[in-house]
Amino acid sequence: DVVMTQTPPSLSVAIGQSVSISCKSSQSLVYSDGKTYLHWLLQSPGRSPKRLIYQVSNLGSGVPDRFSGTGSQKDFTLKISRVEAEDLGVYYCAQTTHFPNTFGAGTKLELK
Amino acid sequence: EVQLVESGGGLVQPGRSLKLSCAASGFTFSNYYMAWVRQAPKKGLEWVATISTSGSRTYYPDSVKGRFTISRDNAKSSLYLQMNSLKSEDTATYYCARQSYEGFAYWGQGTLVTVSS
Repeated sequence: DVVMTQTPPSLSVAIGQSVSISCKSSQSLVYSDGKTYLHWLLQSPGRSPKRLIYQVSNLGSGVPDRFSGTGSQKDFTLKISRVEAEDLGVYYCAQTTHFPNTFGAGTKLELK
Repeated sequence: EVQLVESGGGLVQPGRSLKLSCAASGFTFSNYYMAWVRQAPKKGLEWVATISTSGSRTYYPDSVKGRFTISRDNAKSSLYLQMNSLKSEDTATYYCARQSYEGFAYWGQGTLVTVSS
């Protein structure tokens, strides 16, 4: 199974600050079609998860452009520029390149 | 607007069965793979099952393989999860999600399953 390792486990930030979250996979996430099925989700407190970014760097519909994703092969990063209060919660990376699909353990973004 | 509404959760004894349902609307259900993802209390997300558009292909992790069965009724725009031989470690909120090359793009509100005697 592909293990997804997210760091850090938690982040304490001030509103307006920029932050980055790392996600590393134990195997390459490049599929046979050449695409990389690495996605980012946010679970706000008490809510269902919400997809933010798909295929490494594509913003989901309605997602603010202060979110950005980069990376390739086994090493990926989510960056949030100018954090806002609504961005607080737990961020997960997920891979759907391989079965079983797997998630990172999450990174909790909290207010400083 | 895409909507996914889960139902069927509740308290069940270990070893018993439970069937979850997910009613989909706002998109052409038969065009999308669908998935179940669960979240144990205070824990992270765990993928549970995926089904192809026609239902001919299904995928499971080892933790539920042989006990859980995902199915769909495209005529009713509905997704199901039959859970047998339930264990305490299956206690979780179960989410229905639309799955595609865009990942798990839409999620339901979840339904809580508690396995306890």
